[in-house]
Amino acid sequence: NAGVTQTPKFRVLKTGQSMTLLCAQDMNHEYMYWYRQDPGMGLRLIHYSVGEGTTAKGEVPDGYNVSRLKKQNFLLGLESAAPSQTSVYFCASSYAQTYEQYFGPGTRLTVT
Amino acid sequence: KNQVEQSPQSLIILEGKNCTLQCNYTVSPFSNLRWYKQDTGRGPVSLTIMTFSENTKSNGRYTATLDADTKQSSLHITASQLSDSASYICVVSGYGRGSTLGRLYFGRGTQLTVWP
Repeated sequence: NAGVTQTPKFRVLKTGQSMTLLCAQDMNHEYMYWYRQDPGMGLRLIHYSVGEGTTAKGEVPDGYNVSRLKKQNFLLGLESAAPSQTSVYFCASSYAQTYEQYFGPGTRLTVT
Repeated sequence: KNQVEQSPQSLIILEGKNCTLQCNYTVSPFSNLRWYKQDTGRGPVSLTIMTFSENTKSNGRYTATLDADTKQSSLHITASQLSDSASYICVVSGYGRGSTLGRLYFGRGTQLTVWP
């Protein structure tokens, strides 16, 4: 039981490049989330999903897109990376909305 | 405005000592309050979740308290260990309005350092 895994762990992009971050969970959770964490700030929700095939915007969705084609996977895409997207990205999942969220190890992204 | 404020911002204690971290919130309506521990370079890990009706909840050497009337919570760490060095994050869940997800409000965390 791996819990929540994220790939890649680190990535450096040039401004304007695109990439996809992959999150996978093996706990059969319905809910999945993408957060970003910046120094001195709390975690901020980018997008979330309440089930396979559904996605919704969170607090800071601009510049990101997501897809949940399979229940166990939640993808976060950056179509045209900007330096402001330099951050640590965390994926999380939960059984239901009010239940404990399990976080992945994070992806450190640098956009130059 | 819904906010979660944590204090102190950082704290240094000696191994074996106790400490208490504070969390004040203005989130309304309130659903539950969570404490997470985040080690450097790792994702947050849940310590406790408390609903409106719960005053105290323990997880080993960690004890969280909640006063829903004053909208305050505390996390007490007993007999600290070097492995307790981490950021402790208070998260308050509010009921969603017009959306499918109750909103989570994250504090900025208290950075705890335990010295030998």
